Amino acid sequence: QAVVTQEPSLTVSPGGTVTLTCGSSTGAVTSGHYPYWFQQKPGQAPMTLIYDTSNKHSWTPARFSGSLLGGKAALTLSGAQPEDEAEYYCLLTYNAARVFGGGTQLTVL
Amino acid sequence: QVQLVQSGAEVKKPGASVKVSCKASGYTFTSYYMHWVRQAPGQGLEWMGVINPSGGSTNSAQKFQGRVTMTRDTSTTTVYMELSSLRSKDTAVYYCARGPDILTLTTDFDFWGQGTLVTVSS
Repeated sequence: QAVVTQEPSLTVSPGGTVTLTCGSSTGAVTSGHYPYWFQQKPGQAPMTLIYDTSNKHSWTPARFSGSLLGGKAALTLSGAQPEDEAEYYCLLTYNAARVFGGGTQLTVL
Repeated sequence: QVQLVQSGAEVKKPGASVKVSCKASGYTFTSYYMHWVRQAPGQGLEWMGVINPSGGSTNSAQKFQGRVTMTRDTSTTTVYMELSSLRSKDTAVYYCARGPDILTLTTDFDFWGQGTLVTVSS
């Protein structure tokens, strides 16, 4: 089974910009992996922020955006807010099977 | 509005099985796949598998093949996930999450259940 890698932790200043990445052990991440990004706060179910690389749900704050960057999927947060402190997970699809990354703990400090 | 309501917490002994339910409402049950995802305490998310509520076909992660059974009851719009031969490492919160539209394959993971804590302990 493929392994999906994320930065274990990142810190961003309030109002700052940070990029989280999502890599694949099988090679470059492409749109064919249909990258998803989820936000999870303690004690809550995950919430989808980004689907299919860069698409946003109606509830996704405009400051979040998704892209492909250097062979990885990327989630960029521009203008971080205190409420953005959370765990972020990416998900890739491999022939109908899904694999989550290990998650990135984002601290806004 | 779309709602996924899961069954309550369970405590099981090693070697037993557990069956978690997820009742869907607010949409056409047979038009969307349903995923199962679990999260051990303090750990990350782990995809377990997906069921097509229309025909009942399933696809599970290699790790769980032979140990997980996903079923559905269209009369009650409920999907079930049964995990057998439980061990302490199976202690986790188990989530159902709505999968993609069966025809268009869009809108995956857009709604989640509240989670069901399964504790495996002797």
